[in-house]
Amino acid sequence: KAGVTQTPRYLIKTRGQQVTLSCSPISGHRSVSWYQQTPGQGLQFLFEYFSETQRNKGNFPGRFSGRQFSNSRSEMNVSTLELGDSALYLCASSPNVGVGGYTFGSGTRLTVV
Amino acid sequence: QQQVKQSPQSLIVQKGGIPIINCAYENTAFDYFPWYQQFPGKGPALLIAIRPDVSEKKEGRFTISFNKSAKQFSLHIMDSQPGDSATYFCAATNQAGTALIFGKGTTLSVSS
Repeated sequence: KAGVTQTPRYLIKTRGQQVTLSCSPISGHRSVSWYQQTPGQGLQFLFEYFSETQRNKGNFPGRFSGRQFSNSRSEMNVSTLELGDSALYLCASSPNVGVGGYTFGSGTRLTVV
Repeated sequence: QQQVKQSPQSLIVQKGGIPIINCAYENTAFDYFPWYQQFPGKGPALLIAIRPDVSEKKEGRFTISFNKSAKQFSLHIMDSQPGDSATYFCAATNQAGTALIFGKGTTLSVSS
């Protein structure tokens, strides 16, 4: 059974640009969540999608957005990149909402220069 | 109320030792407490999880102890091995919401 796939693995962007990250959940998993991991702040929740609807959103500015497609694949977008957006962005999938068992992908390492 | 406090920040044990990592939470609505293991360059991997209706859960060499009244839970790694050297995160959430609230992590080093 394939795990959670995130693409690309690495990205280097310039301040002010925008970026789109992709996540393919485990087959059959309908819930997809996104997290930002930095050395200073640790793992912080960005948002969660289920059946193409955003169910929950963390405390991040509106520059961070996401969406989920009918096949459960998800994308997140960061506009007007800032140096502080440099982080590991992790996607996690779960079979359904509220059942736990979140499986994480290996993440996308974003560096903003 | 949303915080999960994890200690210690780092831990060094000898092979065969039993490292213990502790976490405390405040939100009594939390009802799912997983532990994740993360190696460099990888995403966190679910190790073991517990719900508050039990006080202890074992899976292989990993044991979670849960104290509902104290709002604390801990991870014990029996017969630790160098391959267990990684960063460990505790987390908490509830069935109504699905956002995992993570502790800051504990870097474990097991020396041979």
